[in-house]
Amino acid sequence: RKEVEQDPGPFNVPEGATVAFNCTYSNSASQSFFWYRQDCRKEPKLLMSVYSSGNEDGRFTAQLNRASQYISLLIRDSKLSDSATYLCVVNLGKELTFGSGTQLTVLP
Amino acid sequence: DAGVIQSPRHEVTEMGQEVTLRCKPISGHNSLFWYRQTMMRGLELLIYFNNNVPIDDSGMPEDRFSAKMPNASFSTLKIQPSEPRDSAVYFCASSLAHGHEQYFGPGTRLTVT
Repeated sequence: RKEVEQDPGPFNVPEGATVAFNCTYSNSASQSFFWYRQDCRKEPKLLMSVYSSGNEDGRFTAQLNRASQYISLLIRDSKLSDSATYLCVVNLGKELTFGSGTQLTVLP
Repeated sequence: DAGVIQSPRHEVTEMGQEVTLRCKPISGHNSLFWYRQTMMRGLELLIYFNNNVPIDDSGMPEDRFSAKMPNASFSTLKIQPSEPRDSAVYFCASSLAHGHEQYFGPGTRLTVT
C-alpha cells in the first residue's frame, strides 16, 4: 500500500460543477496535511493547509478525517482556471510525502 | 518577496557530461529539499537538508548524484556522469522548518541525450 494514495483521475467536469477529491494516508500519527496544485510544466504550489476542524478558502474546502485516515478537497463552482493536478501532501513523521496527484479538467 | 530561485531553467547535455543544478532557498528557511519529477515515477524526494546539514539522502538514486549546501543561501545538485535516464524536472524547495509547508522553485528541466 502506498503511504499517500490518491485517485489519479482524470476528473473532467463542466464549469460550475462541484468536485471532490479524497486522499488516504498510512500513518495514523501524521500531524500536518496540505493540498498543493500543479499546473502543466510548472512547480507545485501550496493551495491550502488542512486543519483538524476543517477549513475553507473561498470556493475550496478541505477536511480531515483522522479516524479513517483521509483528507478531502472540495471545489465549488469550478472555473476553467481550476484545471490542474491536485497533490495531497502528508507529514508521515519524517518529511512531507506527496501523493501522485489527481488530474482535474474543467470543461467550458 | 523572492521565492526559491533555481538555475539553469533548462539544461540539455550529452551523456557522460557533468551537470550542476543550483538553488537559492527563501531567506530564513532552514530546510531545503531536492526533488525529481518524471511522468513515470511522479515526484521523488532525493535529499533534504536542515540547517545546511544533509539529513536524509536515501532518495539519491546512485553515487553519480551528489548534493551540497555550503551555506544557508545556496545548494547544488550534481550529476556526474549524466545518463539519458536522468532526464527529468528537478525541483528545489524550502521550508521554514521540518514538517512545515514547502515552497518550490520553478524547476530545472534536464535533458540528457
